[in-house]
Order: sequence, then structure tokens, then C-alpha cells
Amino acid sequence: QITLKESGPTLVKPTQTLTLTCTFSGFSLSTSGVGVGWIRQPPGKALEWLALIYWDDDKRYSPSLKSRLTITKDTSKNQVVLTMTNMDPVDTATYYCARAVETMGFDPWGQGTLVTVSS
Amino acid sequence: QSVLTQPPSVSAAPGQKVTISCSGSSSNIGNNYVSWYQQLPGTAPKLLIYENNKRPSGIPDRFSGSKSGTSATLGITGLQTGDEADYYCGTWDSSLSAPHVVFGGGTKLTVL
Repeated sequence: QITLKESGPTLVKPTQTLTLTCTFSGFSLSTSGVGVGWIRQPPGKALEWLALIYWDDDKRYSPSLKSRLTITKDTSKNQVVLTMTNMDPVDTATYYCARAVETMGFDPWGQGTLVTVSS
Repeated sequence: QSVLTQPPSVSAAPGQKVTISCSGSSSNIGNNYVSWYQQLPGTAPKLLIYENNKRPSGIPDRFSGSKSGTSATLGITGLQTGDEADYYCGTWDSSLSAPHVVFGGGTKLTVL
């Protein structure tokens, strides 16, 4: 069974840096073709893709957020970490991580974690 | 403003069929596989269709996907009240500086 779970702060202040961890089980991020991505969803709004890291450490970022994002992996711990700098209230959203396998989409997804940006 | 365009809402009666469209361009749908996701109220999205028309294990054949040119379509037959959800299309986009993933704005399905 493949599972992913997001963890991190539920509340951050404007201008702070957000660090989220995705801890997964049931697959290895050292397997060819496998990746882990981050997607967020502001309350009542659509999905927005943020970043993706592959087994070979290839990294992809949303062009509009690239300057603020960093994605890393720790294969031995089965974890992927996303950092987002200079947080703003508009970044309030549920943040999801999900497994990606080549062209097969994101499957499965973690339960998500709601992050609120407020002073 | 999403790169992929979906109708905000669709509706149909139980037992009927509905289709949800996803319109893009040559830099995304036109040259990449499309995935579809179902998001039931208060839950995380779930993969319904990948590589345009393939269903993951456990997804009933009431759900189908197709692609033509720069548009994709999700079809759902034999509608059930449990199908009420938001549906999103997604794909890769090769415009701008580097390939990136894009999603549609989502379509809310109401089963009347």
C-alpha cells in the first residue's frame, strides 16, 4: 500500500519561510521514473502545481513561483521537503504531496495539510 | 486564470451521462498526456484517468477519457449521487523556460 503524508506548520507569519515535509511509504524514490510532487489548493479554489522531484534528483518548478521554491529529497528517510520563502496571505492553502510515475499522473495523494498565512 | 479551460459546472440526472471538457494548446494538451482527477468534498484528489484514456486499478469503466488535438474530455456514464465532486484535468506544459505541470480550473459536477 502506497501512502503519503504531509507535515509542517499550520500557521506561518507573512514574510516567513514555510517548510513542509512529505513522508511516504510503499515505494522508493530511487526507482527509475518515480517522482514526488507538491500541489496546493487555496480554500474554494483550483489545484495549483508547485514542484516535482524525480528519482534522479531532476527538479521541476512552477514558473510563477520558482524563485520562492526549493524541493529536496532524502531517499533513505522516504521524505521530500518543500520550502517556500516570503510567505504571503495569498499562499494560504491546503498543500498536498503526491507520487508521480513517468506519464501516469499523480497517484496517490496525501491527505493534505492546511497552511494559514496570517500575522 | 488556469492554462487549461474547463466549464465551471455541469449537471445531469442519476443514470445519465455527462462529459467534461478540458481545452488547452499545442504546448500542453496537444503534445502531452492528460490526466483527470476527482475530488470529493473535503477530500484529496484521486486519479481517475491517466495517459488520456487509461484507468488506474479500481476505477470503474463508467469513467472514460479521450483526447483530440488540443482538447480532452472526461466522460461519466451511469451517474450516481456519489459522483458529485470537482473534476480536474492536468498535463505537462512545455512553454516558458522549462516543462511544468498545469491543471484546469476544475468542474463541479452536480447529480440532480
